[in-house]
Amino acid sequence: QQQVKQSPQSLIVQKGGISIINCAYENTAFDYFPWYQQFPGKGPALLIAIRPDVSEKKEGRFTISFNKSAKQFSLHIMDSQPGDSATYFCAASKGGSEKLVFGKGTKLTVNP
Amino acid sequence: EAGVAQSPRYKIIEKRQSVAFWCNPISGHATLYWYQQILGQGPKLLIQFQNNGVVDDSQLPKDRFSAERLKGVDSTLKIQPAKLEDSAVYLCASSSVTGGELGKLFFGSGTQLSVL
Repeated sequence: QQQVKQSPQSLIVQKGGISIINCAYENTAFDYFPWYQQFPGKGPALLIAIRPDVSEKKEGRFTISFNKSAKQFSLHIMDSQPGDSATYFCAASKGGSEKLVFGKGTKLTVNP
Repeated sequence: EAGVAQSPRYKIIEKRQSVAFWCNPISGHATLYWYQQILGQGPKLLIQFQNNGVVDDSQLPKDRFSAERLKGVDSTLKIQPAKLEDSAVYLCASSSVTGGELGKLFFGSGTQLSVL
């Protein structure tokens, strides 16, 4: 059972463009939604996270949009750069637990 | 601040052999996790420790996988005997519930296991 569904599987964007990655969840008990960035040969690193009491959170060029009624959240990368090329994972956890359920990942390629 | 250390970096074994992975978390982090990441998929939690006690091992295949965290610091994950489907990257992560960082996991670079 896949509790967090992520799309697209891969994404190619031109430098300066906007990258958008979407995730949907099923369990309404989830209350913490982080995005992790993973470069080849490295472990995932926390990029940005949101809790359901807000609809949007922005950190630099990275923004999470959260739609509680639709049970969806998305990552927007503004002014995408080649250095953003990596695999991005959405995740979710519930009740203050640190047990994260990850999506399958999106491989982002930003062309110069 | 030193990150999460894992070794070995790569391991190639034949099926039915045994293998062990080692993890040293960030100093002071009470919680330690082992995740399995199969190629093309997101990490899947195998086991979570709080200090030296097991919090969650519901997804650990206990007939072949075992893990321990002696003295609440370093941890080892063992597979015996290995199967072809165990080929994956094994990631160790740690976290601290203090300092307002609840939910922030710090991952090591992982051990890439190939079972032939």
